[in-house]
Parts: sequence; structure tokens; C-alpha cells
Amino acid sequence: QVQLVESGGGVVQPGRSLRLSCAASGFTFSPYGMHWVRQAPGKGLEWVALISYDGSKKYYGDSVKGRFTISRDNSNKTLHLRMNSLRVEDTAVYYCAKDPGRGVAGSRYYFDYWGQGTLVTVSS
Amino acid sequence: DIQMTQSPSSLSASVGDRVTITCRASQGIADSLAWYQQKEGTAPKLLLYGASRLESGVPSRFSGSGSGTDYTLTISSLQPEDFATYYCQQYYSTPRITFGQGTRLEIK
Repeated sequence: QVQLVESGGGVVQPGRSLRLSCAASGFTFSPYGMHWVRQAPGKGLEWVALISYDGSKKYYGDSVKGRFTISRDNSNKTLHLRMNSLRVEDTAVYYCAKDPGRGVAGSRYYFDYWGQGTLVTVSS
Repeated sequence: DIQMTQSPSSLSASVGDRVTITCRASQGIADSLAWYQQKEGTAPKLLLYGASRLESGVPSRFSGSGSGTDYTLTISSLQPEDFATYYCQQYYSTPRITFGQGTRLEIK
């Protein structure tokens, strides 16, 4: 069955960096776009970033553009999120999520599988 | 960005009740709408996409309808496991995906 397992969360000071990872299993990783979605404590869902199946296209939400970088390693079935210049308002559970769209047909921009999430706390 | 407004924000209902949650978009989204269920402390789960298409494995008591800017999620007969928070999400204006603020469904 599809499994997405995030790691790399923790407590970090404002202005510092953190790298999240998401290990995929139970499906063929390379044909699918992948997303990061976050949820601040007690709040709703916010889309963060999308990477296309081959890594050629990357898109970001306005609140993280220029600070976060999404990447993927298809050979190791892993998704990453590099987060620089972290702010207190970046505190959230970060989920990786699979897009149901395959290959060149493009991403569908909704999420059919989610990981369990990893908590990032930005605090001095 | 397209704003998604859910109503109500919270709702109390009993097992066996029929429940409807509404999601209104700030502009037409041509059925590019997904619904998710999130239970406390867990990840969201996809229920429906394309406004009315049931995701595989989701019980048939969940249904979706609507068009243009107004969409609904209906649970025909509430079960104990349905008490959760529900989110709508538009994917018409890609990649600028946006979610509703959520509807918390509680036991009466």
C-alpha cells in the first residue's frame, strides 16, 4: 500500500534552515507529481509547493516563495523540502502528499495520499 | 487567489443524521473541487474529487454536488467514525491551490 513517511522536523530558531524529507513506498514514485502541504497548530491547510514527476517544474505558495526549495530523488523515491530563513509563522505540521496525475499529462493538483506529517517549530 | 468559504464552521449532529456542508468559491471553479476528512491528530483523507467523484474505498454515504461557485458535501447517514473536520479545496486556479477554512463536525 502507498506509504509516505516524513522526517526532519524539529525546533529551530528564526532565520535558520531545515530540510524535510519524505520517503515513498508502495507505489511507483517517478511518474507522479508531489506536494508539500502544511497546517499551523489549530489551523487549516495551506498548500506549500509542488514538483512535477521529473523535477522540471516547481511551484510555490506566495508565503514561502524565495525561501523554500522543493526537490526529489526518483532513484531513491524521496521528496525533499529545503526551508531557509525560517519565520515563527512557518511553525506547522508539514505533510507530503501525492498527486494522482501521471507523467506528461500533468499534475491534477489535489492529493490522493498523505504522509503522517512532521512538526516544524520555529521559536527563539 | 480564489477564496474558498465553508459553512458552517462547526456543526453538531447525531448518528444517523443527514448532514450537508457548503463550500463557496469567490469565482467559478468548473467542478475542480476536492473534499477531505481529517480526524484529530491524523493526516487528511481524500473523499471526493471533481466535485462529485467518490475516491476509491470511500463509503457511498458521502456524496458531492454543485456547480459554478457553490458546492456541497453530504453525508446521508452519519456514522460514529464520521465525526471529524472537513475541508474543501479548489484546483481550478493552478498552481494557486486553496482550501476552505474547515468545518468541524461534532457529536450532539
